[in-house]
Amino acid sequence: EVQLVESGGGLVQPGGSLRLSCAASGFSFSSYWMHWVRQAPGKGLVWVSRINSDGSITTYADSVKGRFTISRDNARNTLNLQMNSLRAEDTAVYYCACGPGLAPRYWGQGTQVTVSS
Amino acid sequence: QTVVTQEPSFSVSPGGTVTLTCGFNSGSVSTSNFPTWCQQTPGQAPRTLVYNTNSRSSGVPDRFSGSILGNKAALTITGAQADDESHYYCVLFMPGGFWLFGGGTKVTVL
Repeated sequence: EVQLVESGGGLVQPGGSLRLSCAASGFSFSSYWMHWVRQAPGKGLVWVSRINSDGSITTYADSVKGRFTISRDNARNTLNLQMNSLRAEDTAVYYCACGPGLAPRYWGQGTQVTVSS
Repeated sequence: QTVVTQEPSFSVSPGGTVTLTCGFNSGSVSTSNFPTWCQQTPGQAPRTLVYNTNSRSSGVPDRFSGSILGNKAALTITGAQADDESHYYCVLFMPGGFWLFGGGTKVTVL
């Protein structure tokens, strides 16, 4: 059974940093592109970032470019999102998601990030 | 800027049929966008119902079906049930390797 379990969310002040993780199991993690998607309170889903299977290619939404860094550890089946210079508008539930293939098939349960003073 | 368009809301009677659509503000959706439909109820994570245009995820009832209609992707619910009341999001794979989400359609069954 495919499982994606996010962790690392919490309350952080504006300008602060947070590191999210997504522990993957039940599939060949090192073969899949991985994505982060977020959802602000009462709003829709928004794609944040993705990383290819070996970690050599990363892509970011304009809203987080230069502040967020996606990475992965294929030996530990873990996806990460380092979030720096956080803003109030980054407040959201963050989901990790993946294929197989190019469509989102599997989702984690999400982790809440709140940016507030 | 490319935007994915979805109907904001739909109402369907129990046992009825509803078709949700997913398009671009400019251009056509194709199978190369690997159209995917996700269902989300309040407080829950999204759940993928249909991916790659018309493939159902494991355990998804066959009353959910995906297709391309004209220049849009479509999700049809045939024989709607009360627990189909939810938000439905369309997701399209874009050149450059990222996903573009529609704003979601709220489906009410009454």
